[in-house]
Amino acid sequence: GAGVSQSPSNKVTEKGKDVELRCDPISGHTALYWYRQSLGQGLEFLIYFQGNSAPDKSGLPSDRFSAERTGGSVSTLTIQRTQQEDSAVYLCASSDQPGQGNYGYTFGSGTRLTVV
Amino acid sequence: GESVGLHLPTLSVQEGDNSIINCAYSNSASDYFIWYKQESGKGPQFIIDIRSNMDKRQGQRVTVLLNKTVKHLSLQIAATQPGDSAVYFCARMDSSYKLIFGSGTRLLVRP
Repeated sequence: GAGVSQSPSNKVTEKGKDVELRCDPISGHTALYWYRQSLGQGLEFLIYFQGNSAPDKSGLPSDRFSAERTGGSVSTLTIQRTQQEDSAVYLCASSDQPGQGNYGYTFGSGTRLTVV
Repeated sequence: GESVGLHLPTLSVQEGDNSIINCAYSNSASDYFIWYKQESGKGPQFIIDIRSNMDKRQGQRVTVLLNKTVKHLSLQIAATQPGDSAVYFCARMDSSYKLIFGSGTRLLVRP
């Protein structure tokens, strides 16, 4: 597609429920990133996929968080047993393969998650 | 430790004036820096980047300055317009191609 697409744009869930957030990266981009942005804060790195390499999961805050990327394209971020502190905007970005071209990421508009 | 920080959380400028947003970083191994603009309800948007082998880079109405001696980065916006109102983030790329973001500066443009 023309840009990075995320769905849903807004999600309200009850504490303890599981949620899945979806990201469709720009076609052909080999790198995909998930970040979390709490209200009025900067972006916190969560996880990074690059081609067929093992993902960099160093930013996941707990084992309730997981992500997968199927076929090198669409990615799903799953949060199990959601807690109120999980409330944030979850941003996905994709980029050209590092080492070639523009290193800048293209971000989606994010999914605003509210845990009540 | 690794961090990217900002000096001012909010900057208010008069329309037409120049804006300067500052950023400090602590990791001297960083060789690639990017400025992003984030408008309300949207994801960050790439503005301009700079590599460590450069001191200055110019775009359309924007200039990024890099001072490696004091580990300081700045974004200058010329003739600030109402549409420039947003939160601005500096970010550095680490050795594994992750972007490490600062906490952001909110730019308010007064008419």
